[in-house]
Amino acid sequence: EAGVTQFPSHSVIEKGQTVTLRCDPISGHDNLYWYRRVMGKEIKFLLHFVKESKQDESGMPNNRFLAERTGGTYSTLKVQPAELEDSGVYFCASSLGTGTYEQYFGPGTRLTVT
Amino acid sequence: AQTVTQSQPEMSVQEAETVTLSCTYDTSESDYYLFWYKQPPSRQMILVIRQEAYKQQNATENRFSVNFQKAAKSFSLKISDSQLGDAAMYFCAYRSAWGGGSEKLVFGKGTKLTVNP
Repeated sequence: EAGVTQFPSHSVIEKGQTVTLRCDPISGHDNLYWYRRVMGKEIKFLLHFVKESKQDESGMPNNRFLAERTGGTYSTLKVQPAELEDSGVYFCASSLGTGTYEQYFGPGTRLTVT
Repeated sequence: AQTVTQSQPEMSVQEAETVTLSCTYDTSESDYYLFWYKQPPSRQMILVIRQEAYKQQNATENRFSVNFQKAAKSFSLKISDSQLGDAAMYFCAYRSAWGGGSEKLVFGKGTKLTVNP
């Protein structure tokens, strides 16, 4: 069974540009999460999808970030325009259910904004 | 809001020895889950062990066990018979069990574990 995959693995962009990160969850997992780790800090929650609906987007930092999950399958996270403080590693996770169900993490996308 | 604190940025252990990683958390909730995740270098984060707060018995998974002290809000991870493959970043995480609460994981900053041969 394929795990959670993320693309690209690394992205370097200039301040003001747009970047789109993609996450493919494990097949059959309705729950999809985005997290971010800024250098030296904790991994922070961004948002949670259940199928194509946003269940919780309380962690989204501002309106420069837009997450979508069309058809309840893969998800994209767009940053537009990117700022220096957006640099970090963006993780995606998926789970079969909620509660005690394990969240399976992808390898992350390292975003560098210069 | 819940917080998770890992006070040891780095730890080291000799192969075959035992090491304990510390984690404390703060919450006003009575029911929740606690997790330890492991992220080896350049690899995906994987779940090591989980504990339901309503269970008094400490969780164990092979060489990994936890010491869960609910009153003290402490959740340490003990790794016995350490192996070279245990070298990784270890993250402690909290999740609310309240049905109307968020499913998000709240993480500590992590502890980098080095295993010396």
